[in-house]
Amino acid sequence: DTAVSQTPKYLVTQMGNDKSIKCEQNLGHDTMYWYKQDSKKFLKIMFSYNNKELIINETVPNRFSPKSPDKAHLNLHINSLELGDSAVYFCASSPPGLAGGPTDTQYFGPGTRLTVL
Amino acid sequence: AQSVAQPEDQVNVAEGNPLTVKCTYSVSGNPYLFWYVQYPNRGLQFLLKYITGDNLVKGSYGFEAEFNKSQTSFHLKKPSALVSDSALYFCAVRDRGSQGNLIFGKGTKLSVKP
Repeated sequence: DTAVSQTPKYLVTQMGNDKSIKCEQNLGHDTMYWYKQDSKKFLKIMFSYNNKELIINETVPNRFSPKSPDKAHLNLHINSLELGDSAVYFCASSPPGLAGGPTDTQYFGPGTRLTVL
Repeated sequence: AQSVAQPEDQVNVAEGNPLTVKCTYSVSGNPYLFWYVQYPNRGLQFLLKYITGDNLVKGSYGFEAEFNKSQTSFHLKKPSALVSDSALYFCAVRDRGSQGNLIFGKGTKLSVKP
């Protein structure tokens, strides 16, 4: 069974378009994340979210927005796509730890390779 | 600010030889340190973590890492490398005061030759 899944696996689109990447976890975790991996394999946090709080990395353009319809899903919407948005996007989740905060181990999805032409 | 550094872009090892992938960290307070592995075209997989306790941490696939506070290091090791260990390895530190966001190093590509 897939623990953290993402769709689509590949996404090719034109500049200026709006697109979404879906993420689902069936682990019952409370906290979910989006990371961006650039062409040099550098990984950077974009968002973290649980049912109480959304934390946005201040370097992320406001064209990117996470949407969580329920605890098991955290989708990534991207408006007005730019060439520099081309990257692999990873979703991750972590279970609740003591005092309700997240534990330390994150479980990653397989990634979505976005190519903007 | 929390950060980790992986000084080597690539490590080459012959199969059967010991391997070390280096990581140093810079944190305020006690560090929460991790190693993840990324196989080609795959997501990241958790290998091991150090939170507290024994400085030698054992993880998946025979890997271990040693936390060294005086040297601010958390090097990943394995006594005998396998060709199947070839992958991209990331050291990470948990960003304190956040929802557990991980701050990753730039990654080290491990290549194990037969």
